[in-house]
Amino acid sequence: GAGVSQSPSNKVTEKGKDVELRCDPISGHTALYWYRQSLGQGLEFLIYFQGNSAPDKSGLPSDRFSAERTGGSVSTLTIQRTQQEDSAVYLCASRRLAGPDTQYFGPGTRLTVL
Amino acid sequence: AQSVAQPEDQVNVAEGNPLTVKCTYSVSGNPYLFWYVQYPNRGLQFLLKYITGDNLVKGSYGFEAEFNKSQTSFHLKKPSALVSDSALYFCAVRDGNTGFQKLVFGTGTRLLVSP
Repeated sequence: GAGVSQSPSNKVTEKGKDVELRCDPISGHTALYWYRQSLGQGLEFLIYFQGNSAPDKSGLPSDRFSAERTGGSVSTLTIQRTQQEDSAVYLCASRRLAGPDTQYFGPGTRLTVL
Repeated sequence: AQSVAQPEDQVNVAEGNPLTVKCTYSVSGNPYLFWYVQYPNRGLQFLLKYITGDNLVKGSYGFEAEFNKSQTSFHLKKPSALVSDSALYFCAVRDGNTGFQKLVFGTGTRLLVSP
């Protein structure tokens, strides 16, 4: 079946601009995660959505970062007033809330801030 | 707090030789442990996990990992490496005793298998 999809695959923007990154989780997966992978670094947790519960935003690095999940499916990660240090690969993952604990990842969006 | 350590930035092995990628963890409750692999310009792919039961877990592509509670380790192994196994490998943990759902990842180990 279809996996997690993300768009765009690549995004180049100028410092100070806003960007939106999209994630389409696997159908039926009620939990959704955003991570950031910087060059040479591991994965940094950003935010977690679980069903209709309030999201866990504990990993968002600043108030320039926000995310929403509409209708319990598609999620959008928004970065306002982008900075060069925001350049990274942004990965989305989803999982079923019950049963196997496995998170399934999308291919990521590579963000470059000039 | 949960944490994962992957002490080796890179592991080099010749094709056909056994490989081990090390991972140690720290968690206050029961550990749920995972290995993921990332090929160039790709997202992460799930390899295997330990939740409970047999300490030796078998996963995709011939990989296996052994949960060792006393050493708090979950090393990834394969009896005979392939050049196509060359990739970035991540170990991850979460505390199974809590509702804290996020995975904590290690910094990754690059595996290079030479022909």
